[in-house]
Amino acid sequence: LAKTTQPISMDSYEGQEVNITCSHNNIATNDYITWYQQFPSQGPRFIIQGYKTKVTNEVASLFIPADRKSSTLSLPRVSLSDTAVYYCLVGDSGAGSYQLTFGKGTKLSVIP
Amino acid sequence: DAGVTQSPTHLIKTRGQQVTLRCSPKSGHDTVSWYQQALGQGPQFIFQYYEEEERQRGNFPDRFSGHQFPNYSSELNVNALLLGDSALYLCASSLFGGTGWGETQYFGPGTRLLVL
Repeated sequence: LAKTTQPISMDSYEGQEVNITCSHNNIATNDYITWYQQFPSQGPRFIIQGYKTKVTNEVASLFIPADRKSSTLSLPRVSLSDTAVYYCLVGDSGAGSYQLTFGKGTKLSVIP
Repeated sequence: DAGVTQSPTHLIKTRGQQVTLRCSPKSGHDTVSWYQQALGQGPQFIFQYYEEEERQRGNFPDRFSGHQFPNYSSELNVNALLLGDSALYLCASSLFGGTGWGETQYFGPGTRLLVL
């Protein structure tokens, strides 16, 4: 499973756009990139998943460069309720591995 | 549409005891995974069940066992509890053969286990 590296913490003011970058230098050809959000004492919540280029949904955007060695989760106009831990995961169930491997994530603090 | 549900929400046990945690998957899902999350850490994969069989297992001792029922719900059993087993236990459900990195997993709220 590809190892990921992301900042331990980030601070942002309300209303700003937040970009969290994740490094995954040894990503495999069939691997997908997935981001989860977790609030204290709750289960992680799926945010977005992508393979290449850009993916956008109602919550966030995911930017993946051509070499796929990194990815950036973009949260538009954050609010206090976006304060949470964000996890970047890389993997492919087609390789016979179905487990999600979480690191320590990025703790985002939104400041009023 | 009911999401993933877990019971109980909180549990206190003493060392050496046994515990059973329960999970009902999201409607339409047939696969259940269990994770252990210690304070300040990311969730760690315990095992996954599909078609009532353990499909994959993480690096956890045999004290951790599970079961999946015909209705896709699942139980996690932990025997001979240790103080270090205190954690948030998360259940996640998915659909076998889903697109992308398949089987996008949806998590329940977790069961907080405290071992004294």
